[in-house]
Amino acid sequence: SQTIHQWPATLVQPVGSPLSLECTVEGTSNPNLYWYRQAAGRGLQLLFYSVGIGQISSEVPQNLSASRPQDRQFILSSKKLLLSDSGFYLCAWSPGDGQKLFFGSGTQLSVL
Amino acid sequence: AQSVTQLGSHVSVSEGALVLLRCNYSSSVPPYLFWYVQYPNQGLQLLLKYTSAATLVKGINGFEAEFKKSETSFHLTKPSAHMSDAAEYFCAVSDLRTSYDKVIFGPGTSLSVIP
Repeated sequence: SQTIHQWPATLVQPVGSPLSLECTVEGTSNPNLYWYRQAAGRGLQLLFYSVGIGQISSEVPQNLSASRPQDRQFILSSKKLLLSDSGFYLCAWSPGDGQKLFFGSGTQLSVL
Repeated sequence: AQSVTQLGSHVSVSEGALVLLRCNYSSSVPPYLFWYVQYPNQGLQLLLKYTSAATLVKGINGFEAEFKKSETSFHLTKPSAHMSDAAEYFCAVSDLRTSYDKVIFGPGTSLSVIP
């Protein structure tokens, strides 16, 4: 069966520090991969998606970047965090058939 | 462009009472529709989905939703609320015209269950 791992679960970082969140998927190949952000009391905002290795698309301009160095690995990064980057970050994957997204357990990021 | 609205950012029901969470969508093409549930500090998990088959869709944990094209609605219901149903619920629509699974989420409804 397929599983998705996301870490760390919580992270507290000072403003201006770098960020690296990692997500890996097991049990499937060539998944579509996604990074979402959920701000407190708000819905989910799609940040990045990837349909293949090295293929990254951004939905909104921001201080973050994403990379997909391997088929089942998706990384969210920042060189310098802003206060506004605080939020709950969710990684997800899908088989690409429009049927369903599978979510990781999320990372609560607090930028202080 | 597709969009999703959820009426009521917060809903409270008594244990054993009917749960009704409202969702309306806009889409220029026949949509796929979803309800996801999120428990505190966790990811989202799929409750149910509509993919152009039966308009009344049954999901996990006793939830169901009815697709009404004339009303562009996909409301979520459960006959009898349980304390464990307290969570955040998201309605979502999938844009099938894209090369990836572009899923647009509503803002969410927080459900509280009062003992």
